[in-house]
Amino acid sequence: QQQVKQSPQSLIVQKGGISIINCAYENTAFDYFPWYQQFPGKGPALLIAIRPDVSEKKEGRFTISFNKSAKQFSLHIMDSQPGDSATYFCAAQRGGSQGNLIFGKGTKLSVKP
Amino acid sequence: KAGVTQTPRYLIKTRGQQVTLSCSPISGHRSVSWYQQTPGQGLQFLFEYFSETQRNKGNFPGRFSGRQFSNSRSEMNVSTLELGDSALYLCASSSGGRDGYTFGSGTRLTVV
Repeated sequence: QQQVKQSPQSLIVQKGGISIINCAYENTAFDYFPWYQQFPGKGPALLIAIRPDVSEKKEGRFTISFNKSAKQFSLHIMDSQPGDSATYFCAAQRGGSQGNLIFGKGTKLSVKP
Repeated sequence: KAGVTQTPRYLIKTRGQQVTLSCSPISGHRSVSWYQQTPGQGLQFLFEYFSETQRNKGNFPGRFSGRQFSNSRSEMNVSTLELGDSALYLCASSSGGRDGYTFGSGTRLTVV
C-alpha cells in the first residue's frame, strides 16, 4: 500500500514557467511534509517543509500548498530554471519517535531553456 | 560544517557475499537513518538508530541489519546478498528532533 502518492512521474516545463508537483497521503497521523530535491549522483536534499497547521509556505521561488481536508499537498516552482532540473520527492512523517520519512515515487523535472 | 559522509561510494559484490556500509553523520546529530533507493521501489526506509539504539525498522528481511556506535557513526550490513539488493543505499542524519534529515550521497551497491 503506497501511503504517499506523487504525480506526475515526469514533467517538462519551459524556462520561466511554473512547475507543479502533487502529492496525496492517507494516514492522518502524518504531521510533517517535506520536499526533497535530488540531482544525479547525489543524495536527496531538503528543499522546503510544511506542517498541517498552515496552508501555505513560501521560500524564494518554492511554495508548498497544503490542503488538510483533502489530504493533499503540492510543490510549486515559480520562474523555473534549467538548474531546477532534478528529481523531486514529497514525503510525510508521523509524529513521535517512531516516525520515519515515507516518500512518494518522485517526479523527474526537466526545465527546457 | 561537514555533511553526512558515506563510504564506500561504490561497491561490487557477488551474490551470496555480505557487505558492510558506513555512515558518519553530521557532528552533533544523534539520529541516523538508512534508506534503500531503487528505480522500481523508490526510497524505502530500512531502519533508524538514535543514541546507539534501533528505534524504528522498515519492512526488510533480517539479512539487513545495522548498528550505531557511541560517536553516532553507523554501519549497515547485508548478508547473503541477492541480485535484488543492488541499489543506492542512503544514510540520513538528524539531531533527533523534527528539523529534517540531511542525506549523504549514498553507496551504490551492485550485486553480480
